[in-house]
This record gives sequence, C-alpha cells and structure tokens, in this order.
Amino acid sequence: AQKITQTQPGMFVQEKEAVTLDCTYDTSDPSYGLFWYKQPSSGEMIFLIYQGSYDQQNATEGRYSLNFQKARKSANLVISASQLGDSAMYFCAMRPLSSNTGKLIFGQGTTLQVKP
Amino acid sequence: DTGVSQDPRHKITKRGQNVTFRCDPISEHNRLYWYRQTLGQGPEFLTYFQNEAQLEKSRLLSDRFSAERPKGSFSTLEIQRTEQGDSAMYLCASSPDQVSLYGYTFGSGTRLTVV
Repeated sequence: AQKITQTQPGMFVQEKEAVTLDCTYDTSDPSYGLFWYKQPSSGEMIFLIYQGSYDQQNATEGRYSLNFQKARKSANLVISASQLGDSAMYFCAMRPLSSNTGKLIFGQGTTLQVKP
Repeated sequence: DTGVSQDPRHKITKRGQNVTFRCDPISEHNRLYWYRQTLGQGPEFLTYFQNEAQLEKSRLLSDRFSAERPKGSFSTLEIQRTEQGDSAMYLCASSPDQVSLYGYTFGSGTRLTVV
C-alpha cells in the first residue's frame, strides 16, 4: 500500500527559529517523487519543494530544505528562520513514478504556528 | 496567466440537489486533477485528465460523481443527488505533462456545504 504518515498534528515554533516537520512514507514503487505543500487558511495548496527518489542530494529551496533519508523512508521538511507568514497547514505528498498515474498521495498534515 | 481558477469558491446546497463546479487550469498544462479535502485531512485524489481523456478515477468517485474536460481545457465536476457526506473542499490542480515532477499547481478550491 502507498501511504504518507505525518505524526505531528500541530507544531509551535518561535519566530526566527528553525522547525522540522516529520514525514514518513510507504511504497513498493522503486521510483517516486516526494513533495511538500503549504496550505494557508485561504485554502490554496502552495508547492514548496520536491525530492526525487534517485536524487543524490537533499533538495533545498530558499528557507526550505528536505531531509531525505531513503533507508528510513523519511522526508522531513526543515524551515529555517521561521516567519509569522509560515503559519499554515503543511502536507507531505508522494507520487509513484513507475506507473502512469497522476495521483498524489497526501498525508494528514501538520499545523504550524509561528509565535512572535 | 493567473494560475488555476475554480468557480464557485463556495456553494451551499440542499441534500438531493445537483451541483457543478468548474476548473480552469493553466493554459499550457495538459494534465488536470480533481481532489477532495475534508476538514483536518489531506486531499484525496478523485480523478485526472490528460487533455480531454479521463485516465484515472478513484474508487471515491461514486456513480453520483462525473467529471468532464470536453476540449482539453476547462473541466467540470458534477455531483448528483448530493449527500451531507459530500460536504468538503474540492480542489483542482494542473501540471504540464507526465514528465514534469515539480509540483502540481492547485486552485483555491470550491467549498461545498450540503444542508
């Protein structure tokens, strides 16, 4: 079965500090992509960062980095220097790549609140 | 391009009524996806199109649900005989093609409330 697990329903972080949001995944597909999305209260899903299963280096995008540990099947998101605008719901998602599926499989999400 | 547009943003309907949602993807994108999201949960895949062809449907897409993308541009999602369990946010997304891996672009969603 293909599954994404996010075990932290809610997280708090002080402004300007770093925070790690956990994500583990389960798939039998040898090739897959891992995504992180941000969903503010407005509802739109905003793409943050992508990691391919065969990528040698961890992905980074500005203040976002993905701590990819393939053997542990984890893809944690690290947000550095948190800002008040980072307060939102964060979703980890996976797409199997071997089959021609358009399906993105999402986790249940983590609500992040940044404190001033 | 203004991104993925969804209309309406909100819809309140009585149980048993039919509703239709529209999605306008980014014009260069030939893939279009529909997801459903209930409160506190992650989005669940419903269906996707490549151009006008509907290539995959989830088991969540019961026979009361139908999606179309007649000319490979905009798409509609219709729910017939709505039930209270259909209350959710319906999200549309688009992407360039099957090779593109760098995220799907989502719309702001249509929030459906069935009373």
